[in-house]
Amino acid sequence: EPEVTQTPSHQVTQMGQEVILRCVPISNHLYFYWYRQILGQKVEFLVSFYNNEISEKSEIFDDQFSVERPDGSNFTLKIRSTKLEDSAMYFCASSEPEYSNQPQHFGDGTRLSIL
Amino acid sequence: RKEVEQDPGPFNVPEGATVAFNCTYSNSASQSFFWYRQDCRKEPKLLMSVYSSGNEDGRFTAQLNRASQYISLLIRDSKLSDSATYLCVVNTRDTGRRALTFGSGTRLQVQP
Repeated sequence: EPEVTQTPSHQVTQMGQEVILRCVPISNHLYFYWYRQILGQKVEFLVSFYNNEISEKSEIFDDQFSVERPDGSNFTLKIRSTKLEDSAMYFCASSEPEYSNQPQHFGDGTRLSIL
Repeated sequence: RKEVEQDPGPFNVPEGATVAFNCTYSNSASQSFFWYRQDCRKEPKLLMSVYSSGNEDGRFTAQLNRASQYISLLIRDSKLSDSATYLCVVNTRDTGRRALTFGSGTRLQVQP
């Protein structure tokens, strides 16, 4: 079964440093998403991306965050200057384009630890 | 009021038991509904979509009550492998929004 893959599985970074989290969505999917889950809390939406542009973003997704699809397969989330409160699991997801209620399929996540 | 509300549990049940989880959502414009399961420190995995008429997938049955803004999940003949956190997930599709809104999850522990 095709799956969403994410790298790295765990990223440890000093506060103030930039991080890039990478995702390879399922190949025939055209909608891509990032979510995060702070330890012990619920999964929260960050951003959705379609046709090479952001289609929707949450209040969490401020100027520190950016997304990019640099080539035909990768989808990245960049955090420009990390803060302690950015420590969380970051999940990438993708979905098929036909109907907007298509389920989203999640990668196994990147655990981001900010020191 | 929380957008998606679930009883956090835990629900501790013996193998073979039937267990039901409930979920309420606050936005009447919500149009798509899902149950995901999440194992400890893992990604959410789609369990099933929830349709207006209710739907069944093996031992799992999902129901939707739009008037009460209420979703349920019934698990019959519980297995040890069903132990996980069950996430109620809602999508409000007004103007094409696709962001999923997650509940905090209900934890299930199936015991031998």
